[in-house]
Amino acid sequence: AQSVTQPDIHITVSEGASLELRCNYSYGATPYLFWYVQSPGQGLQLLLKYFSGDTLVQGIKGFEAEFKRSQSSFNLRKPSVHWSDAAEYFCAVGLSGGYQKVTFGTGTKLQVIP
Amino acid sequence: DVKVTQSSRYLVKRTGEKVFLECVQDMDHENMFWYRQDPGLGLRLIYFSYDVKMKEKGDIPEGYSVSREKKERFSLILESASTNQTSMYLCASSSASYGYTFGSGTRLTVV
Repeated sequence: AQSVTQPDIHITVSEGASLELRCNYSYGATPYLFWYVQSPGQGLQLLLKYFSGDTLVQGIKGFEAEFKRSQSSFNLRKPSVHWSDAAEYFCAVGLSGGYQKVTFGTGTKLQVIP
Repeated sequence: DVKVTQSSRYLVKRTGEKVFLECVQDMDHENMFWYRQDPGLGLRLIYFSYDVKMKEKGDIPEGYSVSREKKERFSLILESASTNQTSMYLCASSSASYGYTFGSGTRLTVV
């Protein structure tokens, strides 16, 4: 069965600083990988996804993620964080087919300080 | 825009009550899902459905059941609510071409 690990429960960054959120997965085949963001009291919104092809994936709101098969990682990055990026971020891995059952990580809560 | 609507944002129910959480999607998606979200545990899949009248257990189905009589509606049922079912419940739908869309969630408190 697939699994996802987000080792950082909580991260604090200064506004304007760069951001990297870590995600490691365990899955026997080629994974389908996702990053979602959840603002307080809201559902989850898809930031970006990786199915195949270019290992550097661009998403919405200026986020990108890089798939590294050798490290089983799919880290999320943003060069300059804005106060509105404060939220909880979830990495997820899906079965082949991509849009069926998805397993989520436990989330990383991002705090942005002025 | 695809919309997934959960009928209640907040619910308070008593132990032992039968509870219905409703979810409706407006984009003709084949797949629908119910997750619960708890601090430090992320999202855990309760049940999912690939088609009308079809359901499959997720990772934590105990104490829950579901119903999908129409393609656009997926209901989660707590047969006899207990305090350990106090949680945020998230519904999602997906299709092969569109991906996951989540509702805004229902925060259920069982007292």
